[in-house]
Amino acid sequence: QKEVEQDPGPLSVPEGAIVSLNCTYSNSAFQYFMWYRQYSRKGPELLMYTYSSGNKEDGRFTAQVDKSSKYISLFIRDSQPSDSATYLCAMSPGGSNYKLTFGKGTLLTVNP
Amino acid sequence: GAVVSQHPSRVICKSGTSVKIECRSLDFQATTMFWYRQFPKKSLMLMATSNEGSKATYEQGVEKDKFLINHASLTLSTLTVTSAHPEDSSFYICSARARYGTLFGPGTRLTVL
Repeated sequence: QKEVEQDPGPLSVPEGAIVSLNCTYSNSAFQYFMWYRQYSRKGPELLMYTYSSGNKEDGRFTAQVDKSSKYISLFIRDSQPSDSATYLCAMSPGGSNYKLTFGKGTLLTVNP
Repeated sequence: GAVVSQHPSRVICKSGTSVKIECRSLDFQATTMFWYRQFPKKSLMLMATSNEGSKATYEQGVEKDKFLINHASLTLSTLTVTSAHPEDSSFYICSARARYGTLFGPGTRLTVL
């Protein structure tokens, strides 16, 4: 079993739809959870950063972490064509270990 | 705000030459930076962990004499691809842990002819 599982998609939705992206993980040591958006030929852009369990909202984005289920989610409301990109979940243990473990990434296309 | 920059964004070189890529943390200090390599439509592959003032830690299978890393200050890490060959052509990305999450640079596209 991989440490972090993420459905690679591709996922195609109409403009304005609510998008749900998910990752599961097996390592209970993970404390920090991040979502990134990566456009082709660009570096990953940090969208959401969450420590431990809970919800966090930033504009059209909501991140949820359920440590008891080892499950994290990213919701995108009112999706736009500009949201078309690959979305990566990433996580790391606490303390001084900053090394990230990534999911494979989900390719999202938002159709106008 | 906190940003990670990389320079150059794109470089083309001849086979056998060496290429240096810089990674800088702006508005924050980073004792640890990471270097990744990414092939088209593939995941990020961690190459090495760069530690300020000490030797880098390389992932299994990454040649440390091929990919030289120097982290001389709290805001700068460099990756030097020595004696580059066409198979070293790739997208190289660095990252650094900021206060609110790990930030990535914009990447450097290396093409070796």
